[in-house]
Amino acid sequence: GAVVSQHPSWVICKSGTSVKIECRSLDFQATTMFWYRQFPKQSLMLMATSNEGSKATYEQGVEKDKFLINHASLTLSTLTVTSAHPEDSSFYICSASPRQGARGTDTQYFGPGTRLTVL
Amino acid sequence: QKEVEQNSGPLSVPEGAIASLNCTYSDRGSQSFFWYRQYSGKSPELIMSIYSNGDKEDGRFTAQLNKASQYVSLLIRDSQPSDSATYLCAVIEVGTYKYIFGTGTRLKVLA
Repeated sequence: GAVVSQHPSWVICKSGTSVKIECRSLDFQATTMFWYRQFPKQSLMLMATSNEGSKATYEQGVEKDKFLINHASLTLSTLTVTSAHPEDSSFYICSASPRQGARGTDTQYFGPGTRLTVL
Repeated sequence: QKEVEQNSGPLSVPEGAIASLNCTYSDRGSQSFFWYRQYSGKSPELIMSIYSNGDKEDGRFTAQLNKASQYVSLLIRDSQPSDSATYLCAVIEVGTYKYIFGTGTRLKVLA
């Protein structure tokens, strides 16, 4: 149980284009989803937290107009990198949590990640 | 500043030995603790969660929590080369449900 998928697993795009990444919880309802970015040999960096049906909360320094997050249902969240540039190239990972407020439901289950390369 | 600290390693252990990974946290109010394993180029995978003081065992893995001393550890028995990875300690930030991650400990199990 607790499977999270991400699509696509990798993407190469030209500078200036937009890229959409999907994150789905396959066997549970995710009240909260998180988006992380990870550069090589560095730790995970939280970009934003999204709750179903409400606006995402972005971490300090993350541009909300550049990284658009939509959490349209309890099983789907999307991250759109708008006007991507080479410095946006990174490993993007989502996680999902049932977050019912009880022990065991605050666990984050991670998707397999999306490797973005911007040329 | 709420922090989670881990020794970055690498921690090298021979195959079959016990690997001991440690993590300390700064927020005394923290209640939820997690260990993840991350292979190079892959996303983190959950090993174990722990919420109460004491030991919690799952197969070759044992998590230990001591809230008074503010540390959580992970023991891996009968270490295998396939256990070679970075191990991340995560603590839920009180009131937000966000994880605070340690920087991770790189484990190398030598065949």
